[in-house]
Amino acid sequence: RKEVEQDPGPFNVPEGATVAFNCTYSNSASQSFFWYRQDCRKEPKLLMSVYSSGNEDGRFTAQLNRASQYISLLIRDSKLSDSATYLCVVNGAHSGGYNKLIFGAGTRLAVHP
Amino acid sequence: DAGITQSPRYKITETGRQVTLMCHQTWSHSYMFWYRQDLGHGLRLIYYSAAADITDKGEVPDGYVVSRSKTENFPLTLESATRSQTSVYFCASSEIRGAKDEQYFGPGTRLTVT
Repeated sequence: RKEVEQDPGPFNVPEGATVAFNCTYSNSASQSFFWYRQDCRKEPKLLMSVYSSGNEDGRFTAQLNRASQYISLLIRDSKLSDSATYLCVVNGAHSGGYNKLIFGAGTRLAVHP
Repeated sequence: DAGITQSPRYKITETGRQVTLMCHQTWSHSYMFWYRQDLGHGLRLIYYSAAADITDKGEVPDGYVVSRSKTENFPLTLESATRSQTSVYFCASSEIRGAKDEQYFGPGTRLTVT
């Protein structure tokens, strides 16, 4: 089983739609959770950090369910500019004082007019 | 506000050559990281550094060497490039404080080994 699993998509949605991505993780001791956004051929950029049960930033809402070990990202009122790959990131095994971040392979979102 | 930069942005080299990818950050972050990203895989950690002169292996370190003589620089060297090292390489940095360990990425270096 992969340490962080995401549905690769693509999710094809019209502008204005609401779309949700789920991500599951295997390490029950994980403490840090993030969603990153990556545009084609560009670097990943931090979208949201999730440190408690969840948080909201404008049209984006992230939820964390520790009991079931999954994280979700909800995007409301989708814009064309939301088209990107969304990476689920979880901190994992402890190594030399550093809990390395584990990156999911990403979920592709394509928003069309 | 330069943040984190990488050079070169694109590189084509031949099998067996030594190649060095540069990474520079202006935030004075303690931690720096090198990842590679290939189709079908998530980002995979090659090496990381917790501070100047402190480095450690990640998930896929074979064939790579790193050094960190200054906090702001973290070069990655491919000692003898192989075709399997064709990839996009991202450098990242972080100032890890408690549970706040988000990382910030450079623009990447696209390396092709022929």
